[in-house]
This record gives sequence, structure tokens and C-alpha cells, in this order.
Amino acid sequence: KAGVTQTPRYLIKTRGQQVTLSCSPISGHRSVSWYQQTPGQGLQFLFEYFSETQRNKGNFPGRFSGRQFSNSRSEMNVSTLELGDSALYLCASSLLGGRGEQFFGPGTRLTVL
Amino acid sequence: GENVEQHPSTLSVQEGDSAVIKCTYSDSASNYFPWYKQELGKGPQLIIDIRSNVGEKKDQRIAVTLNKTAKHFSLHITETQPEDSAVYFCAAGGTSYDKVIFGPGTSLSVIP
Repeated sequence: KAGVTQTPRYLIKTRGQQVTLSCSPISGHRSVSWYQQTPGQGLQFLFEYFSETQRNKGNFPGRFSGRQFSNSRSEMNVSTLELGDSALYLCASSLLGGRGEQFFGPGTRLTVL
Repeated sequence: GENVEQHPSTLSVQEGDSAVIKCTYSDSASNYFPWYKQELGKGPQLIIDIRSNVGEKKDQRIAVTLNKTAKHFSLHITETQPEDSAVYFCAAGGTSYDKVIFGPGTSLSVIP
């Protein structure tokens, strides 16, 4: 069974730009969660989608948004990038959302200059 | 708000010794407590989990204990090996909000 894939793996952007990250979950998983990982803050929950609906959202500004398609693939978008948005963005898919095992992708490393 | 604390932030042990990582959570409604291991350049991977109706769970060299009254849970790794070196995250979830809150992580180094 193929694992969670994330594209691109690395991104370099400048302040003010916007970026879109993509996540393909494990086949059959309808829950996709996004996390921001930074050295000082650990894994911070961004949002979770299930069957194209956002069920939960973390404490991030409205510049962070996401969506999920009918095939469960998900994208997250960050607009008006700031230096502090530099981080590893992880996507996780699961059958049960926050109530069961999550399978993480390798992440997208975003650097904002 | 919901919060998970984790200690220590770094841990160094000799190969063959035991390692213990402790976590506390704030949301008393939490009922699912997973532990993830993250190796360099990879996403976190589940190593063991426990639900609130169980006080202890063991899988070979890894064990987790849960004290719901105190809102504490711990990871125990026995007979540590160099390949155990990684960052370990505890988490609490399973509430009606259906999301998982992660601790800040513990960087474990096993010295051969």
C-alpha cells in the first residue's frame, strides 16, 4: 500500500508571495490533517478535513487555508507569506482522524526569504 | 486551551539502559494517547498508543502507562539501542473536536 505523499518536498519563496502544498493520502483514508513543525513549537495542528469538509481548525491566521477534493487529496495554501512561516509542513491521513493512528508524509520544507 | 507538556526535551542514555519520557495533558476529555517517533528527514511514525480504558500497554521493548486521574502518561523504552535515537512526540486526542494535540518532543540519543 502506497504511503502518504507530499509535493513539493522543498520550496523557497519570498515574503508576500503565496504557496500551495499538496498531499495525497493513503488509499481509503478520508481524513487528512495538516501540521506545522518548527524547532521551537513542535507539531502545531493547522486543520483537518474529512470527506471534503473541514472538521477542525487550529489557532492559525486566516492566511492559512486548505481544501480537500472528492478523491481525498488535500491542498493547503498560505497567502502573504511571512518569514515566520518557514517550517516543515506535514500532512497525515487516517481512518479515524484524531481518534486513531495517523500516517504522516515526509513533509514539505518551506523557506521564506 | 488544550495543552500537552512533555519532559525532558533532550535525553541521552547509554546503549542498553532504559529511557523514560513523561507527558501531561490538560483536556480531561482526552481518551486517546499516541506516541510517535520521528527520524531525521522523515515524518512521525506511530510506535504505540493507549486508550483511556487501559492503564498500561506493552509492545516488546516499549511500554506506555496512563494515569487519567493525574492526567499523566509516560513512555518507557528498555534495553535501548542506537536505532532508538530519534525525536519522540506524545499526543492527546479523541475528544469531540477530533484532533490531536502534540507535545513539544523529546530528542533521545542512545550512545553506543
